[in-house]
Amino acid sequence: NAGVTQTPKFQVLKTGQSMTLQCAQDMNHNSMYWYRQDPGMGLRLIYYSASEGTTDKGEVPNGYNVSRLNKREFSLRLESAAPSQTSVYFCASSKHRDLSYEQYFGPGTRLTVT
Amino acid sequence: AQKITQTQPGMFVQEKEAVTLDCTYDTSDQSYGLFWYKQPSSGEMIFLIYQGSYDEQNATEGRYSLNFQKARKSANLVISASQLGDSAMYFCAMREARVRGGSYIPTFGRGTSLIVHP
Repeated sequence: NAGVTQTPKFQVLKTGQSMTLQCAQDMNHNSMYWYRQDPGMGLRLIYYSASEGTTDKGEVPNGYNVSRLNKREFSLRLESAAPSQTSVYFCASSKHRDLSYEQYFGPGTRLTVT
Repeated sequence: AQKITQTQPGMFVQEKEAVTLDCTYDTSDQSYGLFWYKQPSSGEMIFLIYQGSYDEQNATEGRYSLNFQKARKSANLVISASQLGDSAMYFCAMREARVRGGSYIPTFGRGTSLIVHP
C-alpha cells in the first residue's frame, strides 16, 4: 500500500522556469492538500481540493496553480518560479468531512529556486 | 492571531525521562479536533494522536498522551520514557467544524524541535 506518493523528491529550478509537482494517493480519500514548509513557519496551506472537480485557495496561493486530475491525483504547478518559492512541499490526503480523521502525507519535494 | 501556538521552539530531554510539548489553540467553535504529528529528520510527517473537543478523557497512544485542558484551550503532548528515536520536530494541528469548500481545513502550529540526549 503506497499511501501518498510525490514526485520528484528533489528539484532545482532557475528563476522563471516552470514545473509541476505530482501527487497521488491510493486510499480513496476525497480531500487532498498542498502545503509548503519553511523553517520556523510550520506547514502553510497553498491549495486544497475537497473532492474531485473542486479546488480552493489556502493561506499562500500566490504563484501556484493546481489541478485535481481525478480522485487519486492532485498536481501543483509553478508557472514562473521565484527564489521565494524555495521550500519543501508536502501533499496530503484525508477523508471527506471527518473532523477526527488524520491527514496522510507524502514524503515531500525539496525545491530550490536559484 | 495564530490559531495554534507552540511556544517552545526547542526542547531537550534525557533519555528515559518524560517531556511535555506545549500547544495552545484559539477557536470559538464547540466542535473541533486536535492532532499531533511527528517529523523526524528524514522529513516525513507521522500522525501521533488525536483528541476531540467532546472527548472527556485524555487521548493516549502508547507512550504518547494528550493533556487536554479545554477551559485553558491547551492540548499538550506528553511523551513518557523518551527514546533517542523521539528526536524530531513535533507539530500541533487543529481542525474546526467549519466547512470550507467542502472540507475541514486543519491549521498547524510552527512546531517544536525535541532533542533526546543519551
